[in-house]
Amino acid sequence: QVQLQESGPGLVKPSETLSLTCSVSGDSISSNYWSWIRVPAGKGLEWIGRIYSTGSANYNPSLRGRVTMSVDASTKQFSLKLTSVTAADTAMYYCAKDLPYSGSFGGPFVYWGQGMLVTVSS
Amino acid sequence: DIQMTQSPSSLSASIGDRVTITCRTSQYVSRFLNWYQQKSGKAPNLLIYGASSLQSGVPPRFSGSGFGTDFTLTITSLQPEDFATYYCQQSYTSPPTFGQGTKLEV
Repeated sequence: QVQLQESGPGLVKPSETLSLTCSVSGDSISSNYWSWIRVPAGKGLEWIGRIYSTGSANYNPSLRGRVTMSVDASTKQFSLKLTSVTAADTAMYYCAKDLPYSGSFGGPFVYWGQGMLVTVSS
Repeated sequence: DIQMTQSPSSLSASIGDRVTITCRTSQYVSRFLNWYQQKSGKAPNLLIYGASSLQSGVPPRFSGSGFGTDFTLTITSLQPEDFATYYCQQSYTSPPTFGQGTKLEV
């Protein structure tokens, strides 16, 4: 049974860096795409980006320059860093696994973590 | 970005009803349209991918159709556990985008 679990601080100060980690169990990190998705307060689902097991990443242009993702196959974890956060980055953050589907970019998202609420506030 | 428009935004139905939710995309997305169900306090759950492929473990009362820019999710014979919010999502091009959701209520 594939399980994903987000972890990290639930409170981040404005202008600082949000850092989250997703731990994967029941599946291999290798040869898969792994995504981060968030739901900002009062808004809809927003794809943040994805990372392949080799470390190659794609990011949402709306967050360009602030997002970095990394992956560690040995620990079966992948991570998100979002710099210079503001209140607009307050959101429920989900990690997810992309279902391998030929021709598809960014999804479908077949497994999700339970989500982690991150609040940006001083 | 490709804009996703779901209709209706909310829908009232009864157990045993057949319901249809529509998703329209602002640009062509071929068959790369996915549907999710989300219950309160939980992560979304993949129902349909590739417009019409049923994800493993999803009951066959759920079905999807469409191609290009117009898609539908149909639930036949509504069950109590189906009352939730449903989202469409395109995975044709970057960035992938989601619809605003359709809340299915009793």
